[in-house]
Amino acid sequence: GENVEQHPSTLSVQEGDSAVIKCTYSDSASNYFPWYKQELGKRPQLIIDIRSNVGEKKDQRIAVTLNKTAKHFSLHITETQPEDSAVYFCAALGGGRRALTFGSGTRLQVQP
Amino acid sequence: GAGVSQTPSNKVTEKGKYVELRCDPISGHTALYWYRQSLGQGPEFLIYFQGTGAADDSGLPNDRFFAVRPEGSVSTLKIQRTERGDSAMYLCASSLDRGGEQFFGPGTRLTVL
Repeated sequence: GENVEQHPSTLSVQEGDSAVIKCTYSDSASNYFPWYKQELGKRPQLIIDIRSNVGEKKDQRIAVTLNKTAKHFSLHITETQPEDSAVYFCAALGGGRRALTFGSGTRLQVQP
Repeated sequence: GAGVSQTPSNKVTEKGKYVELRCDPISGHTALYWYRQSLGQGPEFLIYFQGTGAADDSGLPNDRFFAVRPEGSVSTLKIQRTERGDSAMYLCASSLDRGGEQFFGPGTRLTVL
């Protein structure tokens, strides 16, 4: 099956700085990679996703990059704001699997 | 439109009891997923429905866990003879079809005393 590893587990940045979270996956057949943001006590919410036919996708302050050869993908948040503080999860889907395999999460703290 | 809803939001039960957790997916979404999330961890897959049938139940931890979706919409996750280790947040998600964006419900926090 798929195995998704996520680093770092915690990340603290100053407001305005950039934050980068990295994930690796094991199944080369995976072809869909979403990122979810989960605030305390709330549901995971999709913030950006990428499919394996592209290498980068950007949405305002958020971008995701994918390296299929190395089997890793990263989330980039620029100009961080205190409201970006949350737990972020990467996930992978594909290769005949029916559901997402999640990473273990990164707790991002943006210091004002 | 309405998002995915789950009831109850919290459930406290005693060891050995039976519980049912309900999920109402987004109208028209044919794919429905159950995940379990323990504190400090990512959601872990339990079971996936495409329409009325359980297309993949490989994530169910043991035979105390069962889920149904009789009419292809609402789903119920059933846990028999609950154990303290079953305590977790149970999340439901739905998508328009397999491989599409998954929308999560608010979850049911289950506590087994």
